[in-house]
Amino acid sequence: GAVVSQHPSRVICKSGTSVKIECRSLDFQATTMFWYRQFPKQSLMLMATSNEGSKATYEQGVEKDKFLINHASLTLSTLTVTSAHPEDSSFYICSARDQKLQNSPLHFGNGTRLTVT
Amino acid sequence: AQKVTQAQTEISVVEKEDVTLDCVYETRDTTYYLFWYKQPPSGELVFLIRRNSFDEQNEISGRYSWNFQKSTSSFNFTITASQVVDSAVYFCALSEAKDNFNKFYFGSGTKLNVKP
Repeated sequence: GAVVSQHPSRVICKSGTSVKIECRSLDFQATTMFWYRQFPKQSLMLMATSNEGSKATYEQGVEKDKFLINHASLTLSTLTVTSAHPEDSSFYICSARDQKLQNSPLHFGNGTRLTVT
Repeated sequence: AQKVTQAQTEISVVEKEDVTLDCVYETRDTTYYLFWYKQPPSGELVFLIRRNSFDEQNEISGRYSWNFQKSTSSFNFTITASQVVDSAVYFCALSEAKDNFNKFYFGSGTKLNVKP
């Protein structure tokens, strides 16, 4: 089945530093990937849609300069949290769909738990 | 307005009991998909089922079954003879044709605790 790999699974960083999270589709191509954020005991909120070869589309209220997204290939999207602050601590999870399968479900990575100290 | 509502925040059952997780959705689209995902404590999201708006046939997969009723805009999920390994947070989600099915609206999740 479709597999999405996300790395790292857990990261602790100091306030002010930047953190990069990778999302890879392992056995399918994805022109579009999605980045979600999940606060403790809450639902998933879509942050942005990553588009291969073009700019990401951000949801309302999400700072594009804060959360840099790059979708350099059909199998890789990266999310960089720039100048991280403690309030950025959260669970970030990416997802992708197999573009060859019409209306296929979203497949999720295992998520990245970011802790900013 | 919330597009997907999971009114049950948390449910606790004893092993072998049956449990139903409720999901009510709201959409103006005639073509849409409904999903259930499981999120165990480890955090990953596991796809369980997808149902399109034109298929109201109920589905059974082992101990899992789903009841889709367009008349009440509900897509409920039943686990029969629950097991401890079923303990997780379960999310219901909706995607619509107007977004090319790319945007998923998630409910707030129902945490299921299955006690031995």
